[in-house]
Amino acid sequence: QITLKESGLTLVEPTQTLTLTCTISGFSLSTKGVGVGWIRQPPGKALEWLALIYWDDDERYSPSLRNRLNITKDTSENQVVLIMTNLDPMDTATYYCVHRLGYGEMDAFDIWGQGTMVTVSS
Amino acid sequence: SYELTQPLTVSVAVRQTARISCGGDNIGIKRVHWYQQKPGLAPVLVIYGDNNRPSGIPQRFSGSNSGNTATLTISRVQAGDEADYYCQVWDSSTAKFGGGTRLAVL
Repeated sequence: QITLKESGLTLVEPTQTLTLTCTISGFSLSTKGVGVGWIRQPPGKALEWLALIYWDDDERYSPSLRNRLNITKDTSENQVVLIMTNLDPMDTATYYCVHRLGYGEMDAFDIWGQGTMVTVSS
Repeated sequence: SYELTQPLTVSVAVRQTARISCGGDNIGIKRVHWYQQKPGLAPVLVIYGDNNRPSGIPQRFSGSNSGNTATLTISRVQAGDEADYYCQVWDSSTAKFGGGTRLAVL
């Protein structure tokens, strides 16, 4: 059974850096085709894709946020880490970790973590 | 950038058929995925690749995609289908989501 669990600070001050960790189980980050990424959802608003990292360390980012994001993985620790810099109150959202198997258009986000709420406020 | 347009709300009576649209420029040549999100919970994939159901998703859920519109169809709607539904496509290796549709079950 594939599971993903997000962790990190729930309250961050403006201009600070956010570090979110996704701990996975039930699969390996080194399996061919596997991707793990992040999607966020501000309160009452739509989903927004942020970043994705694949088994071969290929990284993909949202064009509108790429200069603030960095995604990495630690295969031995079964973790994917997202770093977001220069936080703003508009970054307040629930952040979801997601699993994707494959690179093609047919490949959706098939498994989601429960999400972690991050509030940006002084 | 590629944009997806969904109606804010769709209302349907129990046991009727709900159709939720997702509009995009020539979306028919893309593969559309649909997610269901109930209040306070993470989204769940209900349709992938236009019209494929993941394991565990009832046959009442189906999808279609042609021209400039993709559609999620829910047959014999139940009260438990009340949720937000999001469409999603891949565009130049980036994921795009629609704005979401609230399905209200009357």
